[in-house]
Amino acid sequence: DAMVIQNPRYQVTQFGKPVTLSCSQTLNHNVMYWYQQKSSQAPKLLFHYYDKDFNNEADTPDNFQSRRPNTSFCFLDIRSPGLGDAAMYLCATSIIAEKLFFGSGTQLSVL
Amino acid sequence: GDSVTQMEGPVTLSEEAFLTINCTYTATGYPSLFWYVQYPGEGLQLLLKATKADDKGSNKGFEATYRKETTSFHLEKGSVQVSDSAVYFCALSSGGSEKLVFGKGTKLTVNP
Repeated sequence: DAMVIQNPRYQVTQFGKPVTLSCSQTLNHNVMYWYQQKSSQAPKLLFHYYDKDFNNEADTPDNFQSRRPNTSFCFLDIRSPGLGDAAMYLCATSIIAEKLFFGSGTQLSVL
Repeated sequence: GDSVTQMEGPVTLSEEAFLTINCTYTATGYPSLFWYVQYPGEGLQLLLKATKADDKGSNKGFEATYRKETTSFHLEKGSVQVSDSAVYFCALSSGGSEKLVFGKGTKLTVNP
C-alpha cells in the first residue's frame, strides 16, 4: 500500500564515502522533493523536480546531487558525506503543493 | 523569505485535555497553510489545510483557522487521545509555488 517508498530505512556510511538514497512512487506525481530533517529542526528542502526540471535551493551544498531517471524514481547522491550530513532524509511527491505525500524517510549515519 | 514559527515543545497532556499548538507565519502575498503530523516511525501526513483568510481546516477532531490579521494558524483539539501522540508541523506554501516551508515541529505526548 505504500505510495512513496524510501530505501533503505537506515543507512550507515563512512566519512567521505559516497552514498545514494533511493525514493520511488506509485502515485505518478510530477513533483518530487528531497528534504533534510535534523533532530528538533524543520525539514529543510534540498531540491525538487517538476517533471524533469531540476530546482536546487540556493543554500543546498554542492555535495548534494539528485537524479530523476523517470517519473517513478528519484535519487539523492551525497558525494562526500561529512559528520554534519547525518540526518533523516525525506522524499515526498505531489501534483501541487496543496498536498505532499511523504515516504518514511532514510536515517543516515556518518561514521 | 517565507518562514513558519511554532511553539516550542515538547507538550505533554493527559487524555481528554484540550490542545493548542501555536503557529505564526511570515510570507509575501497570501499563502496556503497546512498542518502535517508525523507518527513514530512514519513519514509526514497532511492533517488539515486552509487556503484563504478565515478558512477553517478540520480533520480527526483537529481544527485550525487561517487568521490573516494575526498571521496565525493555531492547531486545536478539544479532547486529545493517546493515539494523537506525534510530532506536528505547521507549514506554508505561497505564490503558487510547489514548495512547502515547515516549522520546527512540536512533539505531543498524551498520557492515559
